[in-house]
Amino acid sequence: GAGVSQSPSNKVTEKGKDVELRCDPISGHTALYWYRQSLGQGLEFLIYFQGNSAPDKSGLPSDRFSAERTGGSVSTLTIQRTQQEDSAVYLCASSPDSRYSPLHFGNGTRLTVT
Amino acid sequence: GQQLNQSPQSMFIQEGEDVSMNCTSSSIFNTWLWYKQDPGEGPVLLIALYKAGELTSNGRLTAQFGITRKDSFLNISASIPSDVGIYFCAGQGTSGTYKYIFGTGTRLKVLA
Repeated sequence: GAGVSQSPSNKVTEKGKDVELRCDPISGHTALYWYRQSLGQGLEFLIYFQGNSAPDKSGLPSDRFSAERTGGSVSTLTIQRTQQEDSAVYLCASSPDSRYSPLHFGNGTRLTVT
Repeated sequence: GQQLNQSPQSMFIQEGEDVSMNCTSSSIFNTWLWYKQDPGEGPVLLIALYKAGELTSNGRLTAQFGITRKDSFLNISASIPSDVGIYFCAGQGTSGTYKYIFGTGTRLKVLA
């Protein structure tokens, strides 16, 4: 496809379980971002990958959150021991380069922790 | 979380009215972006700004990159019902990892 693809689109999990969220960026885009959007709120920066550079993890809220990007393409955001406050929409975006390039977003994964 | 100040938080306006919103930062940015988000979807890019003082239009939308490089403005002229949604600004820093930080959003509702 031409756009950023995220899966699953919806995920319901029980408190304490681990979840993995997947992002397929636009082909050729070297920069990849993860954001979290709580209900009715803005976009909270989580983590940013640029090429082979070390990722900027400064937005990850706790050590239960981690992300990796394999082969410079697909990325997985993992949340361990989920809590109810983790419930939100997790948005992924990619761009052709890190500087001066707008972000292209997927439609997000809506995570509900019960 | 890291977010920019955006105002107003929400607006109710009549169809045909003009709309103004702004975004401010304590840091200098090299790039300002404006996005619109519809329910259940990801944000979609409206306008990108790359130079201080730059004024750019996209149809009925006009955005400006503030001279101080710490703020940006978005105007919508002659609003229509499909303008309803949430509008976000985003700024990119001048050094480091060049991550984009987003504003808190302006929720726009247009009354026909």
